[in-house]
Amino acid sequence: DAGVIQSPRHEVTEMGQEVTLRCKPISGHNSLFWYRQTMMRGLELLIYFNNNVPIDDSGMPEDRFSAKMPNASFSTLKIQPSEPRDSAVYFCASSLGDPEQFFGPGTRLTVL
Amino acid sequence: GESVGLHLPTLSVQEGDNSIINCAYSNSASDYFIWYKQESGKGPQFIIDIRSNMDKRQGQRVTVLLNKTVKHLSLQIAATQPGDSAVYFCAENIRMRDMRFGAGTRLTVKP
Repeated sequence: DAGVIQSPRHEVTEMGQEVTLRCKPISGHNSLFWYRQTMMRGLELLIYFNNNVPIDDSGMPEDRFSAKMPNASFSTLKIQPSEPRDSAVYFCASSLGDPEQFFGPGTRLTVL
Repeated sequence: GESVGLHLPTLSVQEGDNSIINCAYSNSASDYFIWYKQESGKGPQFIIDIRSNMDKRQGQRVTVLLNKTVKHLSLQIAATQPGDSAVYFCAENIRMRDMRFGAGTRLTVKP
C-alpha cells in the first residue's frame, strides 16, 4: 500500500491567491482528516470526513477555508484567498474506523 | 505584542540508554491514547496505543504507561537508538472528533 498521498509536497504562493491541497487516503479507509501544523499552535484538526461526509469542521479557521471529499479516494482543502498566516504544514490522515490514523507526508505551504 | 511559539520540551539521551517521555492529558473522559513519532519532514507515525481500561501496554522496545488518577501518560523506549530521534506526540481521544494532540517532546539521541 502506498499510504496516504498528498500533493503538492511544497507550495509557495502569493497572498490573495487560491491554494488547493490534495489528498488520496489509503484504499478502504472510511475516515479522512485534515490537520494543520505550525510552530505556534502545534497540530490542529481542521475537519474530518466519515464515508465522504463532513462530520466536524469546527476546526476550520474561517470561511476562507473549505474542504471537499467527492469520493472515497480523493479530498481537497482549499484556501481562498490565502494569507501569510496560513503558512503551515498541512497533513491529511485516514483511518478505518479506529482512532489510529495514518498520516500523509504533508504539504508545506508558504504564503508570501 | 511578541508572539510566542511552542517551546517543545526536549530530552537528550545517550545511545543505548532508556528514554522516558511524559505527557499530561486534559480530559478525564478520554478513553483511548496514542503515541505518535514525527521525524523531520514527515507526518506523524503511530507507535503504540492504550485504552483507558489498561495501565500498561508493551510493544517492541516501547512501553506505554497510563495513570488515570493524575491524567498522565508516559512512553518508555528501551535501548534508545539514533533512529529514535524525533518529536513524540501523545494524543487523547474521546470520540473520533475529539482527537487532541499534545505539543510534543523532542528526543535527541547522542551517539
